[in-house]
Amino acid sequence: AQSVSQHNHHVILSEAASLELGCNYSYGGTVNLFWYVQYPGQHLQLLLKYFSGDPLVKGIKGFEAEFIKSKFSFNLRKPSVQWSDTAEYFCAVKGEVGGSQGNLIFGKGTKLSVKP
Amino acid sequence: NAGVTQTPKFQVLKTGQSMTLQCAQDMNHNSMYWYRQDPGMGLRLIYYSASEGTTDKGEVPNGYNVSRLNKREFSLRLESAAPSQTSVYFCASSFRDRGPTEAFFGQGTRLTVV
Repeated sequence: AQSVSQHNHHVILSEAASLELGCNYSYGGTVNLFWYVQYPGQHLQLLLKYFSGDPLVKGIKGFEAEFIKSKFSFNLRKPSVQWSDTAEYFCAVKGEVGGSQGNLIFGKGTKLSVKP
Repeated sequence: NAGVTQTPKFQVLKTGQSMTLQCAQDMNHNSMYWYRQDPGMGLRLIYYSASEGTTDKGEVPNGYNVSRLNKREFSLRLESAAPSQTSVYFCASSFRDRGPTEAFFGQGTRLTVV
């Protein structure tokens, strides 16, 4: 079965610090990869996605992620965080084969707190 | 653009009561999903509907039933609510279940079972 691991449960940064959130997935086939963000009290919004092509993808609000196939990783990065980036971040994978094909499998999430 | 609309936004139930969570999307998507979100657990798939007329179990289906009423609407029913079903429920839709498509989420329903 597919699974997604997010290694950091809670990350606390000061404004202007750089961010990297880890995400690893267990699935050997073709994958579609996503990062979603959930601001306090709100629904999930798509930050960025990787389907194919350039493994470095850019999303909204200055976020980017790099797909490294050999490491089964899709880490999220931002060079300089802002207080408004305080939110919970979810990595998700959608595999192409298997019983759960087509369904988004989510990691447990990483809470980011940015201190002003 | 309404996107994915869920009702109600908040609900308190007593143990044993039943209720239906409603979800509708106006994006002409084929696939719809119900997830529950619990602290430290991420989002877990309850049921999904790959296309109109089909439904399948996800990771945590016990205690729930679903109905894909038409292409737009996908409801989630709790027949006999239990405190373990206290959670935030999210409905989502995507153009199709397979291939490179993203899911769009509703605002969520915060359910408390006492």
